[in-house]
Amino acid sequence: GQNIDQPTEMTATEGAIVQINCTYQTSGFNGLFWYQQHAGEAPTFLSYNVLDGLEEKGRFSSFLSRSKGYSYLLLKELQMKDSASYLCAVRDHGPRGSTLGRLYFGRGTQLTVWP
Amino acid sequence: ETGVTQTPRHLVMGMTNKKSLKCEQHLGHNAMYWYKQSAKKPLELMFVYSLEERVENNSVPSRFSPECPNSSHLFLHLHTLQPEDSALYLCASSQDGPSRGNTEAFFGQGTRLTVV
Repeated sequence: GQNIDQPTEMTATEGAIVQINCTYQTSGFNGLFWYQQHAGEAPTFLSYNVLDGLEEKGRFSSFLSRSKGYSYLLLKELQMKDSASYLCAVRDHGPRGSTLGRLYFGRGTQLTVWP
Repeated sequence: ETGVTQTPRHLVMGMTNKKSLKCEQHLGHNAMYWYKQSAKKPLELMFVYSLEERVENNSVPSRFSPECPNSSHLFLHLHTLQPEDSALYLCASSQDGPSRGNTEAFFGQGTRLTVV
């Protein structure tokens, strides 16, 4: 398995910037994903990093440092609708003989955006 | 709408009941997954199917029995569950293979299961 750690809760105000950190320990790293999950809904994909550096997608950016086992999700120009749980997930190479990587999730960070 | 549909959305069952959860994906993916999401706990991977073959079973109790009749459908058969099995059960699919880069998993809306 994996050891994935992220803060339980964060709060911020509309228009602000927030950074959600994720640290992980893994055997056989094969990519890191960020998902957003609103209460009662399915997790939806936000970003994917497999190489070191920053990936930018509109208001959301994700950073990865494989040597440090560290990633962050950066949310800019926060909106009320960004209030949700943000899940950090790490993929490994899967069991020996398998081509499928397994996706392991952290507990999620509950972000609350205030007006 | 993610292209992955789960039914039912809500299910209440007694400990002696037998029920099944259904998942259908319309994305042409070749891998499907069952996850369990309990309050205050991370998503737990239960089963993985690749090309209709089970490739992963994460020490899940035998009262949970998966079935994958084809690459678009996945079932989770439930029998003599315990109250601690109450949780949100999420199905996901992805396109995986040795010649492809890993792609993200798409999740269904989940089935909220309550065992009484």
